[in-house]
Amino acid sequence: AQSVTQLGSHVSVSEGALVLLRCNYSSSVPPYLFWYVQYPNQGLQLLLKYTTGATLVKGINGFEAEFKKSETSFHLTKPSAHMSDAAEYFCAVGHMTTDSWGKLQFGAGTQVVVTP
Amino acid sequence: NAGVTQTPKFRILKIGQSMTLQCTQDMNHNYMYWYRQDPGMGLKLIYYSVGAGITDKGEVPNGYNVSRSTTEDFPLRLELAAPSQTSVYFCASSKMTGTGNFQPQHFGDGTRLSIL
Repeated sequence: AQSVTQLGSHVSVSEGALVLLRCNYSSSVPPYLFWYVQYPNQGLQLLLKYTTGATLVKGINGFEAEFKKSETSFHLTKPSAHMSDAAEYFCAVGHMTTDSWGKLQFGAGTQVVVTP
Repeated sequence: NAGVTQTPKFRILKIGQSMTLQCTQDMNHNYMYWYRQDPGMGLKLIYYSVGAGITDKGEVPNGYNVSRSTTEDFPLRLELAAPSQTSVYFCASSKMTGTGNFQPQHFGDGTRLSIL
């Protein structure tokens, strides 16, 4: 069975500092990996995705993530936090198996607070 | 494009009442999903559909029903509402094919439901 673990339910960063959000997954088959962002009272928006190919993936708003198969990780980073990055972030994993095709397993989410 | 539209945005129900949460998408996506989001729990899949006339249970289907008579619409029905169904409900859609990449899901803005 697949699962997704996000380390840290809340992260506080200073404006201009590095943002690092951790995501680990368990999977017996190659995963498809996604990061979504949720602003207050809104739905989830796609930040970036890893499907195949290059393991360093760039997304919107200056975010990027690196797929590390040996570590079963897909951590999200942004070099310099902005006040507008305050939101909740979700990691999700999908698989190309018969019973999982099209379905995503979501992590519990990480709430990011940005301080001036 | 409106994307995924959910109605209503907010609703308060009394225990035992029933209601239908509406979801429509204008992207001609074949897959549609219903999730519930509870604090600290991420998103849990309630039901999903791979096309008109085809639905299947997700992780937490008890107390809910769905139908998919058209590609665009995927309503979620709550029968005999219970306090445990107080949550934020999200509808999503994606364009999945039999081969190729796992496509990301597009989300609506959610329905906030309280059952008292």
